[in-house]
Amino acid sequence: ETGVTQTPRHLVMGMTNKKSLKCEQHLGHNAMYWYKQSAKKPLELMFVYSLEERVENNSVPSRFSPECPNSSHLFLHLHTLQPEDSALYLCASSQDFAAAHYEQYFGPGTRLTVT
Amino acid sequence: SQKIEQNSEALNIQEGKTATLTCNYTNYSPAYLQWYRQDPGRGPVFLLLIRENEKEKRKERLKVTFDTTLKQSLFHITASQPADSATYLCALDISRGKLTFGQGTILTVHP
Repeated sequence: ETGVTQTPRHLVMGMTNKKSLKCEQHLGHNAMYWYKQSAKKPLELMFVYSLEERVENNSVPSRFSPECPNSSHLFLHLHTLQPEDSALYLCASSQDFAAAHYEQYFGPGTRLTVT
Repeated sequence: SQKIEQNSEALNIQEGKTATLTCNYTNYSPAYLQWYRQDPGRGPVFLLLIRENEKEKRKERLKVTFDTTLKQSLFHITASQPADSATYLCALDISRGKLTFGQGTILTVHP
C-alpha cells in the first residue's frame, strides 16, 4: 500500500446526482492532488492543495468542487456531471508542492461512470 | 505548445531481454524527470527520479538516462520478467512542482 486511500473504489452516478470522492493520506505530506485519467489519454492534473490551500485549479469545470479540510484529507464533490466525465479519478500526495523533486504517492483511484 | 511523447503505445519483449522505453519532450526545460509504473486498475507507483545535471540513475534492474540536449529520457529494465509487465509513465516538472505525464507505454514481457 502507498499510504493513500480513496473511497469509493467504484461509483456509478446519474447526471443529476451529487456525490463525493474521498482521499486520505497517512504519510504526513503537505501537498495533495486530484488527477483525472481517461482511456488513451495522459493523466490530467485537476487541483493541487498545499497546506490546505488550493494553489492550482487547472481550468476544471465548476461541476467539480474540491475541498481540503486538513492536510490529510481531500474531497472532490461532484454534481451534474456529463458522460464524458467518466474516468479514473486519482488522488496523490507529496511531501511538498513547490519542488518537483518530491515523488508523488497515488491512491488506487475511483472508477467513475456517469450514466 | 509543450509536448511529451512516449515512443510507443505498446512494447512486447521476451523474458530475460532488456526493455527500453523512450520519453521525448519539446518546449520544456525540466529540472527533474520521474518514471512511474501503473498496473491495471491501480494508481501509478513512483520508480525513479533523475535531475537535469545527472546523466544516469540506477536502481536494481532499472536504469534511467536524461539527455537535456536531445530532450529525451530512456528507461531500461534489464533481465526483464513477466512481473515487469505494466504501463510505464514518464513525468516532467513544468513549473513549481506541477508534473505533466506522458501517455504511457504498455510493456508486456512474454515468458
